[in-house]
This record gives sequence, C-alpha cells and structure tokens, in this order.
Amino acid sequence: SYELTQPPSVSVSPGQTARITCSGDALPKKYAYWYQQKSGQAPVLVIYEDNKRPSGIPERFSGSSSGTMATLTISGAQVEDEADFFCYSTDTSGKPVFGGGTKLTVL
Amino acid sequence: QVRLQESGPGLVEPSETLSLTCTVSGGSISPYYWSWIRQPPGKGLEWIGYIYDSGSTNYNPSLKSRVTISINTSKNQFSLKLNSVTAADSAVYYCASTPTSAAGTYFDFWGQGIPVTVSS
Repeated sequence: SYELTQPPSVSVSPGQTARITCSGDALPKKYAYWYQQKSGQAPVLVIYEDNKRPSGIPERFSGSSSGTMATLTISGAQVEDEADFFCYSTDTSGKPVFGGGTKLTVL
Repeated sequence: QVRLQESGPGLVEPSETLSLTCTVSGGSISPYYWSWIRQPPGKGLEWIGYIYDSGSTNYNPSLKSRVTISINTSKNQFSLKLNSVTAADSAVYYCASTPTSAAGTYFDFWGQGIPVTVSS
C-alpha cells in the first residue's frame, strides 16, 4: 500500500527555521497537504495544494514540493508552533493517505 | 465557517457496532463531501471514508467490509457505523469537511473529535 514517509522528530531553537519533509512516490503527480496538531486538539490545515496557506495561518508557514518530496518550512519557529505535523496526499487511485507524523520541538 | 460536532457513545463492547453522528452547522451539508478519520492513542491519522450529499461513498479498503457511512441532508448530519469492533478500533474519531476536485481530495474543517474505547 502507498506510504508517505516523515521523520519522527525535528527540533529547533526559537527563531530558527524548521523543515519537515514528506516523501512519497506519487507526489510528483499529487498535491501535498500539511496539518498541525497540538496536544489534545484536532488537526488544523496549514498548507494545501503544496504551497497555499489557508486564511488565518501565519506567513511563517510555507510549503514546497519537488519530485517525490514535499517540505513544510516554518521560518522563525516559535514556541507555540510546537506540535505534531502530518503530511497528507492521495495515492494514484485517489485514496487518502496520511504520513506517520513528525513531532516538532521548539526549545 | 462551517462547524462540525461529533456525538455518540464513548464506550462500545467488543464485537458490537460503533455508531457516531456528525452535525454540521454554519453551512449546508449539500453539495459537498464529508469524511470520517480516526486516530488511535499516540498514533497517526487514518482515513475511514467519505460520503457525498447524494449518498455516494468511498471507503478505506482496509475497513471497507465493516464500515457504513450515511447522510441525512434534512438534519445536516452524516453518520458512521463500524461493526464487529475490537480493541484495535479504540481511537479518537473525527469528522471533517472534504473539498474534492480534479486537483485532489483533502480535509479542511474538522470536528473536535470524540474518543471511543472498545472494552467490556
């Protein structure tokens, strides 16, 4: 079955740039999406269609995709950005698939 | 902005049927797609399936034999039934609005989630 692979954890100091990657064979043909999930809360969409930011999401969140890898970048990460981040896409048949998640630590 | 709220029992006995309802407010349930997604404790997200307002459905193949999603447009609600549950079905269950186009399918607005435990 199709898989999206993320690193289990990423750690940065406040003000630094955090980059979280997501690899998948279908990403050259399918959009990547990113969700932020803070402890005890529902996921929130922070990037859609590779690089678009929903209304209300801070400009420090950006996305890119090249070949089989999508990247979420948080420029000037803040303590309040600490959360689990999940990439999402679909396989070639259109079946929804989530990555395993990356725990971002900002300290 | 649409709001979603899950409701249903928080405890289900093994081999029984898990039944949840999602109520949509702040907008019409038509003509859109709506999904159920779950998250076992300490684990990642798993898409269960989605439904269109016409009643057309698409399920995760790994759960397809046990899942039924239905919709009641007059009540602005859609529902999930998962039968023959085991402890592995214990999770937080989320409902979500599901924009779907030629560009793809994703989940924009989510409910707060409802924890369900399968135990006797």
